[in-house]
Amino acid sequence: DTGVSQNPRHKITKRGQNVTFRCDPISEHNRLYWYRQTLGQGPEFLTYFQNEAQLEKSRLLSDRFSAERPKGSFSTLEIQRTEQGDSAMYLCASSWGQGEFDIQYFGAGTRLSVL
Amino acid sequence: GEDVEQSLFLSVREGDSSVINCTYTDSSSTYLYWYKQEPGAGLQLLTYIFSNMDMKQDQRLTVLLNKKDKHLSLRIADTQTGDSAIYFCAESTNAGKSTFGDGTTLTVKP
Repeated sequence: DTGVSQNPRHKITKRGQNVTFRCDPISEHNRLYWYRQTLGQGPEFLTYFQNEAQLEKSRLLSDRFSAERPKGSFSTLEIQRTEQGDSAMYLCASSWGQGEFDIQYFGAGTRLSVL
Repeated sequence: GEDVEQSLFLSVREGDSSVINCTYTDSSSTYLYWYKQEPGAGLQLLTYIFSNMDMKQDQRLTVLLNKKDKHLSLRIADTQTGDSAIYFCAESTNAGKSTFGDGTTLTVKP
């Protein structure tokens, strides 16, 4: 298994444009998480899926953000009408979660720069 | 709500022990984790501890948990230059959603 894969690794966009990131989790992992990390801070939870169901969304996730996991495998995170404040590292993690016990494996992230 | 606090920086000499501290506020935390992040990389899980334990040892790593004080520490024995990285403490209370601290940057001097 190659681990959690995120694409692209870097994305530079102009303010107002839409961007989409992809995450391929470790195969057969049932849970998939999206986090956002800004410089000097720890990852902040955005949303998570159990299989294809999106079970929780953070208050941080404005209406411009949408995430999908259509077949319970890969996931996409789309940001519409990007703003400079969206510049951050977007991290994906996956796990085989059983209740509260949940070892999350992280991808290397997609770094977004909004000009 | 949940909050996790860590000191920002720690500097040690190669061969010494490093102790990274963390405090958390949510008394219902069930699992606590330590992650390592190297430049340009994602987070790597180092170790975890269940809230009904007070100590866990894994090779050079020792985790101590004081549940009464909501204090967690990570001790790295015989610290090497390759241990230089940012270390994150995290806790989870439900369905695996984790809350992270802002990380402690460990610098190991030769």
